[in-house]
Amino acid sequence: NAGVTQTPKFQVLKTGQSMTLQCAQDMNHNSMYWYRQDPGMGLRLIYYSASEGTTDKGEVPNGYNVSRLNKREFSLRLESAAPSQTSVYFCASSEALAGGGDTQYFGPGTRLTVL
Amino acid sequence: QKEVEQNSGPLSVPEGAIASLNCTYSDRGSQSFFWYRQYSGKSPELIMSIYSNGDKEDGRFTAQLNKASQYVSLLIRDSQPSDSATYLCAVNQNTGNQFYFGTGTSLTVIP
Repeated sequence: NAGVTQTPKFQVLKTGQSMTLQCAQDMNHNSMYWYRQDPGMGLRLIYYSASEGTTDKGEVPNGYNVSRLNKREFSLRLESAAPSQTSVYFCASSEALAGGGDTQYFGPGTRLTVL
Repeated sequence: QKEVEQNSGPLSVPEGAIASLNCTYSDRGSQSFFWYRQYSGKSPELIMSIYSNGDKEDGRFTAQLNKASQYVSLLIRDSQPSDSATYLCAVNQNTGNQFYFGTGTSLTVIP
């Protein structure tokens, strides 16, 4: 099992460019999450998907869109990148349906720099 | 007020000592509590989960939960240099899928 995989590992964008971060899990988990991690800010939830076909906003959704393509895949799109979106992005998954309370497993992260 | 608060540290302990990491949370409806370890440049990995008041032990790690005081802690016994990392506290309310993370405590174990 690969667990949670993310692509790309590193990315440099110019302001205004767009890109999609890809995430896939092979653990048959129902819930998937996108976080960003900034120095001194901890992990902050951008969007999550409790089950296939549903998505919900987290703490910091502005400037991002997501797609739960199927049960395995959950992508994060930056339509017009801004320097404030420079961060490390983590995808995570957990078995739980709505109700939460379950362990999250994290991918290796994508380090994004917006110039 | 942040949902989850931790002392950022850094916390330094000598090898073999007990490291004590603390976390407080604001929402009394929180039901699930997690400790993650994160090495520099790596992703968080789960160390412990705890759901009931009291202590839960797993090897050198003990998680302690006190819901009345809205407090959760992690004790690391016989600390090793390989325990040097940032420890993240996470809380979930069980009424939704949102997890709230603290900013993490940096631990250094000195050989």
